[in-house]
Amino acid sequence: NAGVMQNPRHLVRRRGQEARLRCSPMKGHSHVYWYRQLPEEGLKFMVYLQKENIIDESGMPKERFSAEFPKEGPSILRIQQVVRGDSAAYFCASSPVSIGVNTEAFFGQGTRLTVV
Amino acid sequence: AQSVTQLGSHVSVSEGALVLLRCNYSSSVPPYLFWYVQYPNQGLQLLLKYTTGATLVKGINGFEAEFKKSETSFHLTKPSAHMSDAAEYFCAVTPNYNQGGKLIFGQGTELSVKP
Repeated sequence: NAGVMQNPRHLVRRRGQEARLRCSPMKGHSHVYWYRQLPEEGLKFMVYLQKENIIDESGMPKERFSAEFPKEGPSILRIQQVVRGDSAAYFCASSPVSIGVNTEAFFGQGTRLTVV
Repeated sequence: AQSVTQLGSHVSVSEGALVLLRCNYSSSVPPYLFWYVQYPNQGLQLLLKYTTGATLVKGINGFEAEFKKSETSFHLTKPSAHMSDAAEYFCAVTPNYNQGGKLIFGQGTELSVKP
């Protein structure tokens, strides 16, 4: 019973390149959340997706960042033209329905992006 | 807007001593509250959560937390610390009472346990 799978675990990109981070939710989970953790900081919400729909993207930077969760396949967080400030750990979480009384979010192990 | 404040970015206790990690929240609606633990280079694991009902919530690894509405607090405690408890702990709130959705996290508290 695999948990939330994120790959790659570590990603190094040069400034100006694109970064693609993948998240496969737990089986049966149709809700996906992306968070960013900067060094010495807590997790900051980025985007909440349900299959093929963006529910809440209030935490996404206005430029260079995008996310999708297609009908088939993993959720993708895409960062175009990366800059050093994008270096962080990016975590994905999933839940079967939206988080509530009987539902929690399960987190992946994260992708650590380093921009050089 | 909802927010979470964790008092103390670093807490150090001796093995066997009481663990107390503080969390205060701000929410305009009754919140759902969570404590997560993060071990180095790992994802987050749920320790416990409060949604409705009993205000004293018991979680895994001997941790518990009490929801105090009057103090807008949800402090995490453990009677006796173990070396394996050394980790980063995050308090979180769900701002959408009925709809669920995203979690708002505090800054985190790093717990060190001395032998």
